[in-house]
Amino acid sequence: QKEVEQNSGPLSVPEGAIASLNCTYSDRGSQSFFWYRQYSGKSPELIMFIYSNGDKEDGRFTAQLNKASQYVSLLIRDSQPSDSATYLCAVNIRTGNQFYFGTGTSLTVIP
Amino acid sequence: GAVVSQHPSWVICKSGTSVKIECRSLDFQATTMFWYRQFPKQSLMLMATSNEGSKATYEQGVEKDKFLINHASLTLSTLTVTSAHPEDSSFYICSAKTGMYYGYTFGSGTRLTVV
Repeated sequence: QKEVEQNSGPLSVPEGAIASLNCTYSDRGSQSFFWYRQYSGKSPELIMFIYSNGDKEDGRFTAQLNKASQYVSLLIRDSQPSDSATYLCAVNIRTGNQFYFGTGTSLTVIP
Repeated sequence: GAVVSQHPSWVICKSGTSVKIECRSLDFQATTMFWYRQFPKQSLMLMATSNEGSKATYEQGVEKDKFLINHASLTLSTLTVTSAHPEDSSFYICSAKTGMYYGYTFGSGTRLTVV
């Protein structure tokens, strides 16, 4: 079982819709959770991080964490074509330095 | 914000030669840096963890004699791909823990093509 799993997609949504990206993790003791966006040929850039159960909102982005169910999600409201990218979920396993990345979900926002 | 500078951004080399990639933390000290490799349409795969002043820790399946990592200072880590072969062609990315929170900042990546 992989430490972090994501649906690879591709996920397509129309412009203005809500895009929902999901991620599950295996280590129940995981401490912190991150969503990165990666454009083709570019390095990942951090969108959001979340530590506590519940929702965390930042602009059009909302991260949701449910530790009991071991999943973390990212909602993108009012999706824009510029949001088209691969979204990587990353989990910091317990208190170690290592990150484990999911395989990424490819999102396409259709104008 | 924290910046990690990675050079070169792309390199083409002949099979059998060695290539060095540099990763610098510009405005913070990075005691730990990470090196990833990403093949087309695949996710980031952690290759090794680079600790300042000590030997790097390699992930299972990564040849330490082929991918030499040096982290001699708190702001510089280097990855040398020795005797490169076409199958080493990939996107190599470094990252460092910023110290501001438990997140990581990535370098801009190096596209290596071995011909």
